[in-house]
Amino acid sequence: NAGVMQNPRHLVRRRGQEARLRCSPMKGHSHVYWYRQLPEEGLKFMVYLQKENIIDESGMPKERFSAEFPKEGPSILRIQQVVRGDSAAYFCASSPREGYEKLFFGSGTQLSVL
Amino acid sequence: AQKITQTQPGMFVQEKEAVTLDCTYDTSDPSYGLFWYKQPSSGEMIFLIYQGSYDQQNATEGRYSLNFQKARKSANLVISASQLGDSAMYFCAMRHSSGYSTLTFGKGTMLLVSP
Repeated sequence: NAGVMQNPRHLVRRRGQEARLRCSPMKGHSHVYWYRQLPEEGLKFMVYLQKENIIDESGMPKERFSAEFPKEGPSILRIQQVVRGDSAAYFCASSPREGYEKLFFGSGTQLSVL
Repeated sequence: AQKITQTQPGMFVQEKEAVTLDCTYDTSDPSYGLFWYKQPSSGEMIFLIYQGSYDQQNATEGRYSLNFQKARKSANLVISASQLGDSAMYFCAMRHSSGYSTLTFGKGTMLLVSP
């Protein structure tokens, strides 16, 4: 699972700023998943993307959050006008195909909103 | 809706002993997958073990085994011969029936291994 790269590892933003979280999946993986972990909680699914397509965004807040996975480059989770409640660990995972048994997670990005 | 319940917020075990972490799940789907992940203090999520709902035998991976009791809807993780490095949060998770690799996670159990 060390192959899924997330950056930055820690991100500090003031209320109202934008946060951009990057995820490069493992080599050969074209499926990316974003999860959010609030303090003392398990991970909650946000969005599932394949190259250039959003497949399932049922866990994504309707406002201020967006995700993309372009043909070239990493997947980006973007949070506009951050609020304190957005403070959490954001994890990216990848798999080589749909329904694959194992998800490979990155080390996460810890977002802190001041 | 799918739900994962981990009733033990924390567990203590002595080095070299075995420990069982509980997990129960709720789903109406006949086909599903169950996972256990380890999250050490460094924060990364480490895959430990997977059990498919149609698998006849309990999954094993080294010192980890999954005690799968389908009728009781339980999928407990058994760690044999605990090591100090096993101290971490442990999460049970279930794959959505849609076939996507999206997972529903429990709230986790903190395991502390003492010398």
